[in-house]
Amino acid sequence: NAGVMQNPRHLVRRRGQEARLRCSPMKGHSHVYWYRQLPEEGLKFMVYLQKENIIDESGMPKERFSAEFPKEGPSILRIQQVVRGDSAAYFCASSPSTGENEQFFGPGTRLTVL
Amino acid sequence: EDQVTQSPEALRLQEGESSSLNCSYTVSGLRGLFWYRQDPGKGPEFLFTLYSAGEEKEKERLKATLTKKESFLHITAPKPEDSATYLCAVQARNTPLVFGKGTRLSVIA
Repeated sequence: NAGVMQNPRHLVRRRGQEARLRCSPMKGHSHVYWYRQLPEEGLKFMVYLQKENIIDESGMPKERFSAEFPKEGPSILRIQQVVRGDSAAYFCASSPSTGENEQFFGPGTRLTVL
Repeated sequence: EDQVTQSPEALRLQEGESSSLNCSYTVSGLRGLFWYRQDPGKGPEFLFTLYSAGEEKEKERLKATLTKKESFLHITAPKPEDSATYLCAVQARNTPLVFGKGTRLSVIA
């Protein structure tokens, strides 16, 4: 029973390039959450998606960041025109539904912007 | 605004030396309080969910308790493999998880 999968595990981009991070939720889970973790900081919520819908994007920067969870395939977090401040670990979590169900996290993608 | 404060920031214990980690929170209408363990370079691993004051949950050497203002993660007779960062998070109704910055636990043999 595979857990939450994320790829790539490490991603290096130069300033101005695009970064695409992928997340496949656990089998049977239809809710996906993206978080960002900066060094010495806690996990910060970015966006919550269900299939083909963005439910809550209150933590997402207004510019350059977007997320989707298509009917088929993984969820994608896209960062356009990356800057050095985007360097962080990005984690995806999934749950079977909202409410009391706990979120299960993937191993993360570590983005480094040169 | 929902807030979570964890203390201490770092804790160093000798093997077998029991202790507790604290998670203080302010939230409007707590729906759940979650404890996670995070090892370096890995994603958080779910440990416990607590829903109401007075609730307790145990797993091996770990025991989590909850009051109306804080939660404790008690570690009994820790071993070196318990070394990790322990994260606390709260969730109110229809809002995302809010995480604390974590407590870095080191258990020395």
